[in-house]
Amino acid sequence: GAGVSQSPSNKVTEKGKDVELRCDPISGHTALYWYRQSLGQGLEFLIYFQGNSAPDKSGLPSDRFSAERTGESVSTLTIQRTQQEDSAVYLCASSMNTGELFFGEGSRLTVL
Amino acid sequence: GDSVTQMEGPVTLSEEAFLTINCTYTATGYPSLFWYVQYPGEGLQLLLKATKADDKGSNKGFEATYRKETTSFHLEKGSVQVSDSAVYFCALSENNQGGKLIFGQGTELSVKP
Repeated sequence: GAGVSQSPSNKVTEKGKDVELRCDPISGHTALYWYRQSLGQGLEFLIYFQGNSAPDKSGLPSDRFSAERTGESVSTLTIQRTQQEDSAVYLCASSMNTGELFFGEGSRLTVL
Repeated sequence: GDSVTQMEGPVTLSEEAFLTINCTYTATGYPSLFWYVQYPGEGLQLLLKATKADDKGSNKGFEATYRKETTSFHLEKGSVQVSDSAVYFCALSENNQGGKLIFGQGTELSVKP
């Protein structure tokens, strides 16, 4: 497709389970970002990938969170042993490093 | 660290009213500044940007001027429409060549006919 694609769009899980969220960036975009949007909160930066450079993981809230990216393609965000406070919309964006980010529609995670 | 602060919402206006959404920032260097918009049921999209002091970004009737002396990037529109109802996010990046964007908390705008 032409835009950033995220899956699943909705995920309901039980506390303590692991979840994986997937992002397909726009083809050719070298930069990929993950953000978290909680109700009433702004966008919280999680992690940033740029080409083959080491990712900027400074926003990951705990060691239960990790992310990988295969080359300049798909990325997965993994949350282990989910907690209720992990409930949020997880947004992926890609960019050609112009400062303009193209966002997907997000994956809404609900932890029961 | 760098941060962005926006006026709290929700902001409710009548159609054709003047809009201002305040945004101030804290940054150690010379950031680029952005406004993103999230329409209901859609993903965030770039509305406008400015990369250096005194630059004015504009798009769809919206404007914002990069004010280094007041560390501000207020969003304005002279006459809002119902279709402008959305959540508006101010953001900064440390440079204009990529890197992470730091977002404000968002301001919800509701325009009534």
